[in-house]
Amino acid sequence: QSVLTQPPSVSAAPGKKVTISCSGSSSNIGNNDVSWYQQLPGTAPKLLIYDNNERPSGIPDRFSGSKSGTSVTLGITGLQTGDEADYYCGTWDSSLSAVVFGGGTKLTVL
Amino acid sequence: EVQLLESGGGLVQPGGSLRLSCAASGFTFSNYAMVWVRQAPGMGLEWVSGIRGSGASTFYADSVKGRFTISRDNSKNTLYLQMNSLRAEDTALYYCAKDRGISSQYDYWGQGTLVTVSS
Repeated sequence: QSVLTQPPSVSAAPGKKVTISCSGSSSNIGNNDVSWYQQLPGTAPKLLIYDNNERPSGIPDRFSGSKSGTSVTLGITGLQTGDEADYYCGTWDSSLSAVVFGGGTKLTVL
Repeated sequence: EVQLLESGGGLVQPGGSLRLSCAASGFTFSNYAMVWVRQAPGMGLEWVSGIRGSGASTFYADSVKGRFTISRDNSKNTLYLQMNSLRAEDTALYYCAKDRGISSQYDYWGQGTLVTVSS
């Protein structure tokens, strides 16, 4: 069972918007910056969002991040079939002195 | 261009040892923290261990503490993971990843090396 809680799966139609939630506690999300990773099938994870809401260069603005208290949300607009992947949130946990990831959310673009 | 290339994975018996390496290029290696993250077959990401740029500070997940040792050779731009007393549950694809600084946020990942612990 992961320290950070994500829904196992989400789905939406092409062109629509989807959000993926990630909830934690004051020892992790509440007091540390969060990152999001996209893992396409058979590939290594890729940084999508850092510092809660910042996009690395090359990541389209269809991807966005937000944070409120001990939860963060990844938003994806204009869904494409190429967005089908597993998405993970991650952050430092001050109580565990370790990095923790969510269990991952599988996005299906119907 | 940043590149991370893992090696050293393979099949090992329970109780055995293995040393993973991650050769880095395209950035000033000593300026960045590095980590190992693993992914068991069909499962999610699990952070294993991290090390600061200088090598002076190391961190471990409880699941590997006392069995795994992370280290780095900044003169060779290489990260290591010494794995001892391996268990079946250590079977996974092991990724090395570069931290953006010391933020526990990873902007580059290798392709992974597979470790299989089985008799």
